[in-house]
Amino acid sequence: DAKTTQPPSMDCAEGRAANLPCNHSTISGNEYVYWYRQIHSQGPQYIIHGLKNNETNEMASLIITEDRKSSTLILPHATLRDTAVYYCIVRVAPGSGNTGKLIFGQGTTLQVKP
Amino acid sequence: DAGVTQSPTHLIKTRGQQVTLRCSPKSGHDTVSWYQQALGQGPQFIFQYYEEEERQRGNFPDRFSGHQFPNYSSELNVNALLLGDSALYLCASSLYGDSSNQPQHFGDGTRLSIL
Repeated sequence: DAKTTQPPSMDCAEGRAANLPCNHSTISGNEYVYWYRQIHSQGPQYIIHGLKNNETNEMASLIITEDRKSSTLILPHATLRDTAVYYCIVRVAPGSGNTGKLIFGQGTTLQVKP
Repeated sequence: DAGVTQSPTHLIKTRGQQVTLRCSPKSGHDTVSWYQQALGQGPQFIFQYYEEEERQRGNFPDRFSGHQFPNYSSELNVNALLLGDSALYLCASSLYGDSSNQPQHFGDGTRLSIL
């Protein structure tokens, strides 16, 4: 399973875009990039995932570099409620004997400040 | 549409005791995975259940065992509790062999404290 590297912490001003980087230089061709976040005392919340194309949903955008060795999660207008630990995970799609388990690192603690 | 539900939310036990934690998956999901999250750490994969069988196991001793019922709900059992078993235990559900690669959905966990 590929490993990910994230900065341990970041700050962002409320209303500004939060850009969270992730390195996954050993990612394999069949591994997806997933982002989850965990607000204190809650379970991890799914945000977005992608394989090689950029993705956008109602929560965030995911930008994956062409060589797929790194990605950036973008929260376009951060609010105080976005303060959380953000986890970048690479995951083989379930099927063909793969369980699709998630391997979490330490994540990035994002502090959104007023 | 109910999400993943876990019970109890909090539990206090003493060393040497046994504990059972419960999980009901999100509607439409048939697979349950369990994770342990120590304070300040990311969740660690314990094992996954599908069709009432353990499909994969992480690096956890056999004091940790599980069960899945025909309605897809699951239990995590831990025997001979140690102080180091104090953690947040998370359950996640998904669809087995999902070629559309939909994400696992997590419950809010059971906080287990060992005295």
